[in-house]
Order: sequence, then C-alpha cells, then structure tokens
Amino acid sequence: GENVEQHPSTLSVQEGDSAVIKCTYSDSASNYFPWYKQELGKRPQLIIDIRSNVGEKKDQRIAVTLNKTAKHFSLHITETQPEDSAVYFCAASIGSNYQLIWGAGTKLIIKP
Amino acid sequence: DTEVTQTPKHLVMGMTNKKSLKCEQHMGHRAMYWYKQKAKKPPELMFVYSYEKLSINESVPSRFSPECPNSSLLNLHLHALQPEDSALYLCASSQEGLGSGRFFGPGTRLTVL
Repeated sequence: GENVEQHPSTLSVQEGDSAVIKCTYSDSASNYFPWYKQELGKRPQLIIDIRSNVGEKKDQRIAVTLNKTAKHFSLHITETQPEDSAVYFCAASIGSNYQLIWGAGTKLIIKP
Repeated sequence: DTEVTQTPKHLVMGMTNKKSLKCEQHMGHRAMYWYKQKAKKPPELMFVYSYEKLSINESVPSRFSPECPNSSLLNLHLHALQPEDSALYLCASSQEGLGSGRFFGPGTRLTVL
C-alpha cells in the first residue's frame, strides 16, 4: 500500500526566512497531494493542494511542487511569520479513494 | 456556511458510560468522515460516509458506532470505551470525487477514565 514519508520532523527558521518541507510517496498511482496546517489545540486546515497533472501551485507565500518521476512533493513557505508556527502534514491519495495517507508531520518553529 | 461544527468540545466519560459526538456541515458535501488523533500524530481514519451510506470502516472496535441521519449530520456513539480511546475526535467533510480536500471540525477532546 501507499506510504508517505515526511522530513524533517522539526524545522526551526528565522522569521523572514524560507521554510521547505519534503514528502516522498511510494505508489505512483497517487494523484492528489494536500498539505494541512495544525496549530496547537486546533483543527487541521487545508492550506494548499496539488493534483498530479500540475507541477507547481502557488498561493501568496505558500507553494507546493510535485516531482512525479522522483515521487516527491514539497511545501515552500517564504517570508515566514510567527503565525506560521504549527505542525504541517502532507498527505497523498489515489483517484477518488477516500483514504488519505498522511505523513508523520513537521513541527515548524519560527524564531523571532 | 463554510464550517464544520462539532459538539461537545470536551467530554470526560467513564468506561461504562454511553455518550455521543455530533458533527454538522452545511457546505453540501456528500462525504463525511470520523478521524481519531493522538498527540503529535496525524489523524487516523475511522469511518467514511458517502451519500449517507457507510463506505469505509477501518476495522474500528464496535464500541464506536457511527450514524449519518442525513446529509448534514454525522454522529459517533460511544459505549464501554477504554482509557486508550482518549484522543481528539475530528469530523471532516469533503466533496465527492477526485482529490477533494477535507474540511475538519474543531474536534472533541475525549478523556476516558
């Protein structure tokens, strides 16, 4: 079955710098890749997603890139701000499969 | 309305109690989900309802019983839980079809004594 690995488990960056979180997946049939942000004590929130027919997607300071050949996708956050501090989860799914296979999460710490 | 709501926010129950968690969405989503989340872990899928019918049961113990009374409501009935069932229970909804993002409710923090 599908497996998603996420790195790093913790990422500490200076406010204003960029942050990059990477995920790799095992099943080449995966075609939907969402990213969720979860602040402490709150719900996971969908922040950006990408489908396999697209290589990159951007929304203001957040971007996601997908390399289907290498089977990895990455979240890029530019000009980081204190409110970006949270746990970020990547996930992958196949077709209309209801299953989302989740990465283990990355705790992002923004240092003032 | 673009939110998923859940009640209660917190629940403490004994191992012999019966309680229910409730979830509501008015986004017209036809897929609804129950997830369980332990601290520092990703959400773990429990059940999926599609068009008010149970589509997926991820081998969840029978002490958890889901119910979908209509397209906007989802319940999770709890009975004879164990302390290890203590967790954050998240409801989510999504559109049907390829690659639909999940919209999560705020969750119910459950403690089983």
